[in-house]
Amino acid sequence: DAKTTQPTSMDCAEGRAANLPCNHSTISGNEYVYWYRQIHSQGPQYIIHGLKNNETNEMASLIITEDRKSSTLILPHATLRDTAVYYCIVFVMNSGNTPLVFGKGTRLSVIA
Amino acid sequence: ETGVTQTPRHLVMGMTNKKSLKCEQHLGHNAMYWYKQSAKKPLELMFVYNFKEQTENNSVPSRFSPECPNSSHLFLHLHTLQPEDSALYLCASSQGAGFQETQYFGPGTRLLVL
Repeated sequence: DAKTTQPTSMDCAEGRAANLPCNHSTISGNEYVYWYRQIHSQGPQYIIHGLKNNETNEMASLIITEDRKSSTLILPHATLRDTAVYYCIVFVMNSGNTPLVFGKGTRLSVIA
Repeated sequence: ETGVTQTPRHLVMGMTNKKSLKCEQHLGHNAMYWYKQSAKKPLELMFVYNFKEQTENNSVPSRFSPECPNSSHLFLHLHTLQPEDSALYLCASSQGAGFQETQYFGPGTRLLVL
């Protein structure tokens, strides 16, 4: 089972910031928060990840709350090509070393 | 282009056919994965290979048979599939199979079972 909860869908106007929330209230101290996205008919694409501190790269920013129970992915200037399903993932450790468990994600629609 | 390629990109097969999906990664990674994505469902992990050894079989039916001849190649052999097996099959790789590893995905093979 996925350890995260995300809204099913969100809309964002083109050129505006898209803020995608994620709750992971049962996160463990050694678990990272990863974000992937999947554009229609393509494979998932890595976006960003973090443990405690906020992170930023060329694609997005990741804001993690101090208690680490939730995070927000920020796309600063959304474009139509950012329309995709965004997955927030917390790594799950088990005997088989399964690194990722994908939930249902948030379907982001960027509107012109 | 993520460095992970999959062939074929599209496949239509009957329930009595035998086919294979191929995945190749050019990233020097040691771990490779097969995922299944059905319509409107989350990604489902099927198999994990780390240094050519299978470390995870996520209760996948035996009609799906993986093969990992080396760290760069991964196959998924298909036989006597069912229509409900129609889905997008994604291959991924990572440097290791540990919990901190970032996975890089291929474009997927869209499979239709008639």
